[in-house]
Amino acid sequence: EAQVTQNPRYLITVTGKKLTVTCSQNMNHEYMSWYRQDPGLGLRQIYYSMNVEVTDKGDVPEGYKVSRKEKRNFPLILESPSPNQTSLYFCASSLSGPFHGYTFGSGTRLTVV
Amino acid sequence: TQLLEQSPQFLSIQEGENLTVYCNSSSVFSSLQWYRQEPGEGPVLLVTVVTGGEVKKLKRLTFQFGDARKDSSLHITAAQPGDTGLYLCAVTLNNLFFGTGTRLTVIP
Repeated sequence: EAQVTQNPRYLITVTGKKLTVTCSQNMNHEYMSWYRQDPGLGLRQIYYSMNVEVTDKGDVPEGYKVSRKEKRNFPLILESPSPNQTSLYFCASSLSGPFHGYTFGSGTRLTVV
Repeated sequence: TQLLEQSPQFLSIQEGENLTVYCNSSSVFSSLQWYRQEPGEGPVLLVTVVTGGEVKKLKRLTFQFGDARKDSSLHITAAQPGDTGLYLCAVTLNNLFFGTGTRLTVIP
C-alpha cells in the first residue's frame, strides 16, 4: 500500500531532550515536507526537500533540523525541544512537487513539558 | 492577514442539507487544491483546479475555481455524516501553503 509512515504517533518529552520523528514513504517520491498544525494557525511548513541532499526552510524552521540522506526517509530533528514546539506534526510527500499534491502521514502528536 | 481566507470557520448541518464553503484571496494563483482531514488523520487531497472558471465534480462534491483565479468554492450536495471533517484549501507558492480550514460537522 502506498503510504507515508511517521513514528511515533504520540510523544511526550521534557524540555531540552533531543528527539527525532521519523518519516518514510514507499512511493519513490522526490518531494518531502514537514508541517506543524496548531489551532487557529492551520498547517505551517517547517522544512521541505526536493530530492536527496537538497533541503530548504519553510515558514517556521526555527528549532528544527532535517536531513535527506535517502530518497524514502526524511526525519525531523528537535535538538532542544521547548514547550512552544508542542504541536501536531505531519510529514508529506509528492511525486515531483507541490503542484501535484501531497500524500500525508497520519501525524505525530508531540507534547513538550 | 491570511493569504487564504476560508469561510465559514465552523459549519454544523443536518444530514441531507446542501452547503458551500469558500476559499478567498486577493492574490492570483496558478492552481488551487482542496483537502479533507478527518480527526486523527492527515489531510487527503480531493482535487486540484488549474483553469479560471474550472468546475470539477467528485461524487456529491463540486469544486469551482474563480474566473480570476483568486478564489474557490466547494459545494456539497445532500451532506452525509461521512463528510464530517476539516476542509482545507491550499495554493502553490514556493511550496504548498494552506488556509486555516472549515470544520464541517454533519449531524445524522
